[in-house]
Amino acid sequence: GIQVEQSPPDLILQEGANSTLRCNFSDSVNNLQWFHQNPWGQLINLFYIPSGTKQNGRLSATTVATERYSLLYISSSQTTDSGVYFCAVIKAAGNKLTFGGGTRVLVKP
Amino acid sequence: GAVVSQHPSWVICKSGTSVKIECRSLDFQATTMFWYRQFPKQSLMLMATSNEGSKATYEQGVEKDKFLINHASLTLSTLTVTSAHPEDSSFYICSAREGGRAFAGELFFGEGSRLTVL
Repeated sequence: GIQVEQSPPDLILQEGANSTLRCNFSDSVNNLQWFHQNPWGQLINLFYIPSGTKQNGRLSATTVATERYSLLYISSSQTTDSGVYFCAVIKAAGNKLTFGGGTRVLVKP
Repeated sequence: GAVVSQHPSWVICKSGTSVKIECRSLDFQATTMFWYRQFPKQSLMLMATSNEGSKATYEQGVEKDKFLINHASLTLSTLTVTSAHPEDSSFYICSAREGGRAFAGELFFGEGSRLTVL
């Protein structure tokens, strides 16, 4: 199956800092999503971004499908940004979402 | 975005009993739903694909007789953990999307159900 690797595994930020999270995948995809898992376990959809660039407030994401990676940018981080960020993909011609290992983010005040 | 609801959010049961978890798509019809399992500090692992009107498709290593899945309608899938044991304690979360089985559009997740087996 498709492999999804996220880096870094852990990230500690000072409030107000910017950061970049990376997601590499091993095969062509027709779906890529970024999620934020809050402390209660709920997965919040951040971006549906199989290709291109999108922005939503302080968050933005870029997927370069031909090079098999995606980046999630967090700007001016806030303590509420803490949690685990997951990248997940669906392999081309497939329909199952495969998750990466996640990046655990802690934003300190 | 589409709304997926799961119930119950928390369940505690005794070893040997069965537990049913419901997953509903509230504002769309879902031909296909997916069930995931997450252990503490780990990622989400796909357990099975729930297909409306037909049998579920299980991932390798997942016991179909232990985890019964029924997709009774286009808005409801249920996961029943049969004869639960402490090792079945985990966070179970479902997902769904609009469109047919071959469609790879955006997936939305329920709130998750935390199962503790004593």
